[in-house]
Amino acid sequence: NAGVMQNPRHLVRRRGQEARLRCSPMKGHSHVYWYRQLPEEGLKFMVYLQKENIIDESGMPKERFSAEFPKEGPSILRIQQVVRGDSAAYFCASSPGIGGRSGEKLFFGSGTQLSVL
Amino acid sequence: RKEVEQDPGPFNVPEGATVAFNCTYSNSASQSFFWYRQDCRKEPKLLMSVYSSGNEDGRFTAQLNRASQYISLLIRDSKLSDSATYLCVVTDSGGSYIPTFGRGTSLIVHP
Repeated sequence: NAGVMQNPRHLVRRRGQEARLRCSPMKGHSHVYWYRQLPEEGLKFMVYLQKENIIDESGMPKERFSAEFPKEGPSILRIQQVVRGDSAAYFCASSPGIGGRSGEKLFFGSGTQLSVL
Repeated sequence: RKEVEQDPGPFNVPEGATVAFNCTYSNSASQSFFWYRQDCRKEPKLLMSVYSSGNEDGRFTAQLNRASQYISLLIRDSKLSDSATYLCVVTDSGGSYIPTFGRGTSLIVHP
């Protein structure tokens, strides 16, 4: 069974470029979460999605950041016009869904390390 | 979003020692609790769930104290391989059930 797949593992962008991070959840999982981890910081929630729906985006910056989870294909986290402060590790996690304690267990991908020059 | 607080450490212990971490949470309505482990900025991995009755998995024991709003993780007979950052995770019962992570407690087990 494939786990949560994220790509690319490393992404280098210059200031002002766009970054697109991809996440394919575990088979059978319909819920996707994106977290950001800055150096020496904890994981900060960004957005929670189900297929074709954004459930909670309270952790997303108001500008430049967007996320989607289409009916077909991976979830995408898009950062437009990147700045140096966007440099961080971006982790995606999936879960089977709400409904009992098992629904809230998160399974993480290996992350995308974004470096903005 | 409600807070989850952890002592960042590091906790520096010799092999074979017993070490305990606490994590406090601010929302009394919190529903689910977990401990995750993160190695060297790799992805977090679920270590164990924390239930009201407490639970044990080998050398690891997790406890929940709802009255004082904290959870604990006890590691007995520490191994070098236990060196990692331990993340406390709390999910609130209201809203959209977002798991909130503490900043983590660093454990270093030395020979």
